[in-house]
Amino acid sequence: ETGVTQTPRHLVMGMTNKKSLKCEQHLGHNAMYWYKQSAKKPLELMFVYSLEERVENNSVPSRFSPECPNSSHLFLHLHTLQPEDSALYLCASSQGRMNTEAFFGQGTRLTVV
Amino acid sequence: AQSVTQLDSQVPVFEEAPVELRCNYSSSVSVYLFWYVQYPNQGLQLLLKYLSGSTLVKGINGFEAEFNKSQTSFHLRKPSVHISDTAEYFCAVSDRGNYGGSQGNLIFGKGTKLSVKP
Repeated sequence: ETGVTQTPRHLVMGMTNKKSLKCEQHLGHNAMYWYKQSAKKPLELMFVYSLEERVENNSVPSRFSPECPNSSHLFLHLHTLQPEDSALYLCASSQGRMNTEAFFGQGTRLTVV
Repeated sequence: AQSVTQLDSQVPVFEEAPVELRCNYSSSVSVYLFWYVQYPNQGLQLLLKYLSGSTLVKGINGFEAEFNKSQTSFHLRKPSVHISDTAEYFCAVSDRGNYGGSQGNLIFGKGTKLSVKP
C-alpha cells in the first residue's frame, strides 16, 4: 500500500454536484499538498498545508475548498465545478518543505460533465 | 520565481539504447532539483534529487542526472533503457531559502513521455 492514499480513484460529477476528494498519508509527514494535473500543462500547485495550517492558496477558484483536519488527512471539497476542472488531482506529503522529497498518491481522475 | 522547461514532450527510443531527457530551469536564487517518474494511472515517484555536493546524482532504476549550474540544466540519462521505463518523466525545482512566497514548493516542468520500443 502506498504511503499516500487517495479516494476515490475516479469521479464523474455534474456541474451542480458537491463532492469531496480524500487524501490520507501514513508517513508521519507534517506538510500536505494538492496538485492539479491537466493534459499538456505542468502540474499546478493548488494548496499547501503545513502543520495543519493552510500556508498557500495559489489563486484557486473558490469552488475548490481544502480542509486539513489533522496532519494525516487532507480533503478537497468540490462544488459547482466547470468542465475545464476535469483533471487528475494529486495529493502529496512531505516532512518539512524545503529540499525534501514529496510523496504522491495515485490521484483522483475527475471528470465534470 | 522559478520555472522549468522540458524541451521534449515525447522521446521514442529502442530498448537497450541510451536516453537523455533534457531539463533547463530558471531561478534568481539557489535551487534544489528533482526528477520524478509517473507510470500510467499512478502518482509521481521520486527518481533522484540534487541538493548539494557532487553534480552527478544517481537515482533508482539506473538513472542519473548531472547538475550544470552555468547552463542551468539538469538532464536525466540512462545508458540502456528497458520496456518498463516507458513512463512520463517530470523535472522539478524548489527554492532553497526564506525568500518569501513559495518557500520550498516544487515547480514542475510539463513532462517528457518516454516510449521504449522493442
